[in-house]
Amino acid sequence: GDSVTQMEGPVTLSEEAFLTINCTYTATGYPSLFWYVQYPGEGLQLLLKATKADDKGSNKGFEATYRKETTSFHLEKGSVQVSDSAVYFCALSRMVYGQNFVFGPGTRLSVLP
Amino acid sequence: DAEITQSPRHKITETGRQVTLACHQTWNHNNMFWYRQDLGHGLRLIHYSYGVQDTNKGEVSDGYSVSRSNTEDLPLTLESAASSQTSVYFCASSEGASGNIGELFFGEGSRLTVL
Repeated sequence: GDSVTQMEGPVTLSEEAFLTINCTYTATGYPSLFWYVQYPGEGLQLLLKATKADDKGSNKGFEATYRKETTSFHLEKGSVQVSDSAVYFCALSRMVYGQNFVFGPGTRLSVLP
Repeated sequence: DAEITQSPRHKITETGRQVTLACHQTWNHNNMFWYRQDLGHGLRLIHYSYGVQDTNKGEVSDGYSVSRSNTEDLPLTLESAASSQTSVYFCASSEGASGNIGELFFGEGSRLTVL
């Protein structure tokens, strides 16, 4: 079945450091890929998405590129802020009736001032 | 603004009691989902619905039930609460018709403790 693997962390960085959170997936067909973010005490919210190979999703300084050849969707940000401290979830969906979202385990990021 | 709300946000109950967690969305989305979030397990799907009168089991459905009598609501019932059901529960919805499941929108979560 479909699956998502991501580094579980926790990841601790200093403010203004470069961030990479790796995500790889296994799925048949051509899934859409997502990154969701969960701030403390809140629900998940969509950070960015990509619906086809070579698409780049971007939002709030975060970027991820859909790489079909390596089945990856790594999340990057050039300069993290304390306010980016959260749990980040990689997910896929084949956007087909009966096929629901598959989430990775989440990666906790802590950014220190 | 359209939104998805869960209640209660926090609940403590005793083993064996029946508990119902409410989920209400105002987007008029067809699809609604219940997840539980536990350390070491990430998000796991409990039940889901693709429309009124439609309900389906997810990967961890034992001990839970849902009903969908209208578009806006998908209450989650724990028939006889167990300590293993202590968790944070998230409701989500997505638009999508004709078999397509769109982006998920999540509620803020309900923290349930079973003593």
